[in-house]
Amino acid sequence: DQQVKQNSPSLSVQEGRISILNCDYTNSMFDYFLWYKKYPAEGPTFLISISSIKDKNEDGRFTVFLNKSAKHLSLHIVPSQPGDSAVYFCAAANYGQNFVFGPGTRLSVLP
Amino acid sequence: KAGVTQTPRYLIKTRGQQVTLSCSPISGHRSVSWYQQTPGQGLQFLFEYFSETQRNKGNFPGRFSGRQFSNSRSEMNVSTLELGDSALYLCASSLLGVGTGELFFGEGSRLTVL
Repeated sequence: DQQVKQNSPSLSVQEGRISILNCDYTNSMFDYFLWYKKYPAEGPTFLISISSIKDKNEDGRFTVFLNKSAKHLSLHIVPSQPGDSAVYFCAAANYGQNFVFGPGTRLSVLP
Repeated sequence: KAGVTQTPRYLIKTRGQQVTLSCSPISGHRSVSWYQQTPGQGLQFLFEYFSETQRNKGNFPGRFSGRQFSNSRSEMNVSTLELGDSALYLCASSLLGVGTGELFFGEGSRLTVL
């Protein structure tokens, strides 16, 4: 029973366009969410987080949107760059409990 | 400052053997958590240690165990290895513990069980 789902295993986007990565969760107790990026042969690196008291958080080219009623969050990357090509994981937690990670979405940004 | 260090980076074992993986967290971080990554499954939480005590545990069999030392370094042990244990094992450190903020990951230990 996957509590965190990323239904798109892969996504291809043209350089300069917007990348939208989606994540759905089932546990209504989750109130803290993170996005991680992972390159091959490296550990995941933190991108951006959001808590349930907000519905949007921005950091440079990265914006995360949270829709609590739909149990859905999305990561927007604008503009997309070839260096953004990686696997993106979303993670959710009931604050203080362990994070549950999604299976990941492989983003390819085409030059 | 130095990041999270995992050793060994790669190892090959045969079924029935046991393996020990090591993780040195970022200086000052008291929480170390372990994850198993397999294709299509994302990162599956194994357990978390905080100040030498196991604080959270995922749904893995008892063959998977861990410990944390007084210097916050952590080890993970898998006994009686099975083919399905082949995976990338990641550890992450954090200041206050899982679910409270950013996790800092090591590069992982890739285990192949033959």
